[in-house]
Amino acid sequence: SYELTQPPSVSVSPGQTASITCSGDILGDKYASWYLQRPGQSPFLVITQENKRPSGIPERFSGSNSGDTATLTISGTQTMDEADYYCQAWDSTFWVFGGGTKLTVL
Amino acid sequence: VQLVQSGAEVKKPGESLKISCQGSGHIFTNYWLGWVRQMPGKGLEWMGIIFPGDSDTRYSPSFQGQVTISADKAINTAYLQWTSLRASDTAMYYCAQQSDAYDFDYWGQGTLVTVSS
Repeated sequence: SYELTQPPSVSVSPGQTASITCSGDILGDKYASWYLQRPGQSPFLVITQENKRPSGIPERFSGSNSGDTATLTISGTQTMDEADYYCQAWDSTFWVFGGGTKLTVL
Repeated sequence: VQLVQSGAEVKKPGESLKISCQGSGHIFTNYWLGWVRQMPGKGLEWMGIIFPGDSDTRYSPSFQGQVTISADKAINTAYLQWTSLRASDTAMYYCAQQSDAYDFDYWGQGTLVTVSS
């Protein structure tokens, strides 16, 4: 079965750029998206599979996907961005989530 | 678009359960509706998905045979069902609507299922 691998944790200082990676076999040929989940809340989509931001998502969130790696980049990270982030892909049969990355802003 | 899930459940091992997800504000039958498990302190796991328009259903290999996904398009509602719960089914379960692409752009508030003797 298809697997997506994320680092368990990433730390960033406020105002700096955070990058969270997601690795999978030929992920660049699949459709990767990103979700944010705060404690006690439902996940929500922050980067679509077309690397676009849904309505209401700040411009500081961006995504890229090439080769075996998709990357979520948060520019000018704010304390409110501290959360769990999940990548997700569709491998033509099944939908798959990465294991999640806890972003700490300190 | 809103997805409203049924309330928290506390069950004993071996009991059956059916939780629901009702959609509003869109044409429910035109979009795939998925179910996602999140065990305590763990990540998201895709369980399966249904197209309410014709009840075409796909399951993750990890959940095939363990749960049943169904839908009643007349009342814009999808369901996730167990015939015999286990303690390991204790988790938060989310429904989520697939967008025109292959991501999930709307999520329910989650249903917490606790299975304990």
